[in-house]
Amino acid sequence: AQTVTQSQPEMSVQEAETVTLSCTYDTSESDYYLFWYKQPPSRQMILVIRQEAYKQQNATENRFSVNFQKAAKSFSLKISDSQLGDAAMYFCAYRSAWGAQKLVFGQGTRLTINP
Amino acid sequence: DAGVTQSPTHLIKTRGQQVTLRCSPISGHKSVSWYQQVLGQGPQFIFQYYEKEERGRGNFPDRFSARQFPNYSSELNVNALLLGDSALYLCASSLKAGGAETQYFGPGTRLLVL
Repeated sequence: AQTVTQSQPEMSVQEAETVTLSCTYDTSESDYYLFWYKQPPSRQMILVIRQEAYKQQNATENRFSVNFQKAAKSFSLKISDSQLGDAAMYFCAYRSAWGAQKLVFGQGTRLTINP
Repeated sequence: DAGVTQSPTHLIKTRGQQVTLRCSPISGHKSVSWYQQVLGQGPQFIFQYYEKEERGRGNFPDRFSARQFPNYSSELNVNALLLGDSALYLCASSLKAGGAETQYFGPGTRLLVL
């Protein structure tokens, strides 16, 4: 079974600075997808960024980028120019390319932005 | 366009009761998945339905069941509620059932079992 581990329960960063959230995963599959979701206090899970395992190029979405290391099974999220609205729980998630659309989530990292 | 909607937003039940949660996917989306998120943890996969057929089931007891209707909306039923069923129940929809599809989440239903 696949597992996802987020080793940082909490992180904090000054507004406008850069922060990196860590995520490692365990799988024997070669074809899969990785995601970062953001969950603000409103509870709604919002997709931040996704990465296809077959792509070597790291995904980027505006201020959000990932460092995908397939051999190391590592998938970190970098947030540049942090904004107050970035404060939320961040979840790393894994999904196999085959079978059910089952997302396997990590435990989450609570990100605080200091003004 | 409206996003994924769920009802009710909050619910309080007592042990042993039964509950039904509802989800309407984004218009045009045919796949619906359900997740349980216990406080302080990441969501856990319960079910996926596509074209009214169950496509996947997580490690949950038979007290949990679901179905999908012809309009692609879905219901999650939980029988014989336990205190441990208290959680946020999230619904996610996607256009198709495939692994490449992005899933969009609803705001969730907060269930409290007393």
